[in-house]
Amino acid sequence: GDSVTQMEGPVTLSEEAFLTINCTYTATGYPSLFWYVQYPGEGLQLLLKATKADDKGSNKGFEATYRKETTSFHLEKGSVQVSDSAVYFCALSGSGGYNKLIFGAGTRLAVHP
Amino acid sequence: GAVVSQHPSWVICKSGTSVKIECRSLDFQATTMFWYRQFPKQSLMLMATSNEGSKATYEQGVEKDKFLINHASLTLSTLTVTSAHPEDSSFYICSAAVLAGASGANVLTFGAGSRLTVL
Repeated sequence: GDSVTQMEGPVTLSEEAFLTINCTYTATGYPSLFWYVQYPGEGLQLLLKATKADDKGSNKGFEATYRKETTSFHLEKGSVQVSDSAVYFCALSGSGGYNKLIFGAGTRLAVHP
Repeated sequence: GAVVSQHPSWVICKSGTSVKIECRSLDFQATTMFWYRQFPKQSLMLMATSNEGSKATYEQGVEKDKFLINHASLTLSTLTVTSAHPEDSSFYICSAAVLAGASGANVLTFGAGSRLTVL
């Protein structure tokens, strides 16, 4: 079945460091791909998405490119801030219709001043 | 933007009692809502798909008699944890699908979650 694999955390970085969180997926067809962020004590928020191959989703300095050839959707940010500390979830949904999301295990990011 | 509201945000109950969690779409109609369960430091696990006006579809391994889902209107779905026990303590999250315009991709909007603690 469909699945999402994320790099294990926690990831600990100093402020202004470069961030990469790896995400690969297994799916039939052409899924849409998402990154969600969960700040401490809050619900999930959509960070960015991509709906087809080679699409680049971006938001708040984060970006991820839908790579069909490597079945990947790695999250990157050039310069992280303390406020980026959160848990990041990679997810996919099937093509068309109201499809349920399949989540990765989540990667906790801690950014220190 | 689309907002999904969950209530209560946290609840503590005694073992054996039932607890109801509400999920409302505030500014849009949601024919389909999803209920997830999140254990500490783990990912979200889909429990069931809630369809307005019909029975919910439960994922394998989820007890439908333990977790009662009702989707009586286009803006409200409820999850009732019946005869709760300490192992039911968890973070329950609902979400609703919002059609994301021309792209056709349905973006899920999540509620803030409800933390259930069963003593």
